[in-house]
Amino acid sequence: QVQLQESGPGLVKPSETLSLTCTVSGGSITSHYWTWIRQPPGRGLEWIGYIYFSGNTNYNPSLKSRVIMAIDRSKNQFSLNLTSVTTADTAVYYCAALQQLTRFNFWGLGTLVTVSS
Amino acid sequence: DIVLTQSPATLSLSPGERATLSCRASQSVGTYLAWYQQKPGQVPRLVIYDASNRATGIPARFSASGSGTDFTLTISSLEPEDFAVYYCQQRSNWPPEFTFGPGTKVDI
Repeated sequence: QVQLQESGPGLVKPSETLSLTCTVSGGSITSHYWTWIRQPPGRGLEWIGYIYFSGNTNYNPSLKSRVIMAIDRSKNQFSLNLTSVTTADTAVYYCAALQQLTRFNFWGLGTLVTVSS
Repeated sequence: DIVLTQSPATLSLSPGERATLSCRASQSVGTYLAWYQQKPGQVPRLVIYDASNRATGIPARFSASGSGTDFTLTISSLEPEDFAVYYCQQRSNWPPEFTFGPGTKVDI
């Protein structure tokens, strides 16, 4: 069973960069596409983007100009950088496994990132 | 962009009753439709994928159908643990992009 764990700062200042890492265990990072999804407090889910072990990426068009994802196969980790954050980026950020490019079948527990000065 | 609409926003039912949730897409998504269950303070859990396939460990009281633009999730007889928010999610054809519906809350 694949397990995922998000890590990173819980507080980011406006205009700075939000950086999160997801560590994959219980499976190979070559076995899935890997994705980030966020959920503002009390609201719905928003897909941010995905990355494959080859490094190929695809991002949500609404966030594309601010998102960079990377993968480190040697550490079984992938990461999210979201630049120029505002308070609207405050959310629980989940990393998840994207199976067969259709559904999110394994999720991390999520990490709350608050954007505030 | 493909927009998903879910109805009703809230479904107030009792244990043992049947729940029928609807998800409509603004354009055809074929069968690239999944459903997730999220309880308060918990992580979303995959319930249904490819429009009608139950995910691993999901009880048989959950069923789903649909293709194209109209999809339904049915819970045949609600158990107390089924009260949650249910989100539908679609994948666009190419390049693959994903959106979620706003959710239906199944409430006691």
